[in-house]
Amino acid sequence: AQKVTQAQTEISVVEKEDVTLDCVYETRDTTYYLFWYKQPPSGELVFLIRRNSFDEQNEISGRYSWNFQKSTSSFNFTITASQVVDSAVYFCAPHNNDMRFGAGTRLTVKP
Amino acid sequence: KAGVTQTPRYLIKTRGQQVTLSCSPISGHRSVSWYQQTPGQGLQFLFEYFSETQRNKGNFPGRFSGRQFSNSRSEMNVSTLELGDSALYLCASSPGLAGLSYNEQFFGPGTRLTVL
Repeated sequence: AQKVTQAQTEISVVEKEDVTLDCVYETRDTTYYLFWYKQPPSGELVFLIRRNSFDEQNEISGRYSWNFQKSTSSFNFTITASQVVDSAVYFCAPHNNDMRFGAGTRLTVKP
Repeated sequence: KAGVTQTPRYLIKTRGQQVTLSCSPISGHRSVSWYQQTPGQGLQFLFEYFSETQRNKGNFPGRFSGRQFSNSRSEMNVSTLELGDSALYLCASSPGLAGLSYNEQFFGPGTRLTVL
């Protein structure tokens, strides 16, 4: 079974700081998709980004960007110019028929 | 489009009882997955239904079961409740045709189950 490690349990930043959330995964699949989800205090998980394993080009979408490196099995997620509304728990999830989520990183953005 | 809805939102049961949770996916979505979220174990995958058939299953005991109806609505049943079943139960839907690995999941608000 695959394993997902989000080593950062909690991160606290001040508004407008950039913040990077780390994710390391294990999988035996050669082709797979990686996702990040956000769970705000309301509790409902929200999809953020998706990356397939055969495209290592890193992208930016608004204030979000991600760094995918297949060689190190890492899929890090960066929020630029953080805002208070970004406060949430963030989950990394390699999608597979055996769905696994990381333990989550709780991000607190202070005004 | 309306989002994923789950009923009830809150539930209190006692040990030994059974419970049924309901999930209505986004219109047009044929895949429904269920997850259990607890502070200790995090988010854990229970099972996925697609076109009324269980397509994938996590590592939970047989007390946890589910089904999906022809309109894609799904129910999850937990029999002989234990204190450790207290959790937030989340339902997620996706189009499903390309399999669980490809599509992003759209989550409902969850059902908070408390077992006393």
